[in-house]
Amino acid sequence: DQQVKQNSPSLSVQEGRISILNCDYTNSMFDYFLWYKKYPAEGPTFLISISSIKDKNEDGRFTVFLNKSAKHLSLHIVPSQPGDSAVYFCAASVPGGGADGLTFGKGTHLIIQP
Amino acid sequence: DAEITQSPRHKITETGRQVTLACHQTWNHNNMFWYRQDLGHGLRLIHYSYGVQDTNKGEVSDGYSVSRSNTEDLPLTLESAASSQTSVYFCATRTGPNTEAFFGQGTRLTVV
Repeated sequence: DQQVKQNSPSLSVQEGRISILNCDYTNSMFDYFLWYKKYPAEGPTFLISISSIKDKNEDGRFTVFLNKSAKHLSLHIVPSQPGDSAVYFCAASVPGGGADGLTFGKGTHLIIQP
Repeated sequence: DAEITQSPRHKITETGRQVTLACHQTWNHNNMFWYRQDLGHGLRLIHYSYGVQDTNKGEVSDGYSVSRSNTEDLPLTLESAASSQTSVYFCATRTGPNTEAFFGQGTRLTVV
């Protein structure tokens, strides 16, 4: 039973355009959401996060939107750059879940086309 | 700079052997985790620890064990390696709720 779902295994976007990566969750107890970026042969690196009390968080080219009623979040990258080509993981945690770890989706492979 | 280091980066072992993967962090975080990454599954939690002498099972803990004798280290042991444990293993630390987790570079383990 997958609690965090990324239904698109891959996404191809032209350089300079907007990349939108989607994530759905089923556990209504999740209150903190994160996006990680992963290059081959490296560990995941933190990108951006959002608390359930917000519906939007922005950091430079990256914006995360949270729709609690739909249990959906998305990551927008504008403009997309070649270095953004990587696998992106959506993750979530429950309240007081600092030691319980994060629950991850299966990832979306973003490919930025020149 | 604080960091989290995994060793070895690559390991090949035979079925049935015991193998231990090391994880060392200098963040001084109490919370440490082990994940495995497999195609089609993303990252799945194996074990985690709140602090010294504390260990807990995660989603896919069968065949694995951890020990926590100090804050810095959380070694992961495969008691009797199986081919199904061929995977990439990541160690991570986290300060607490509503914070990001920091990951090591990963260990690619092949069981033949």
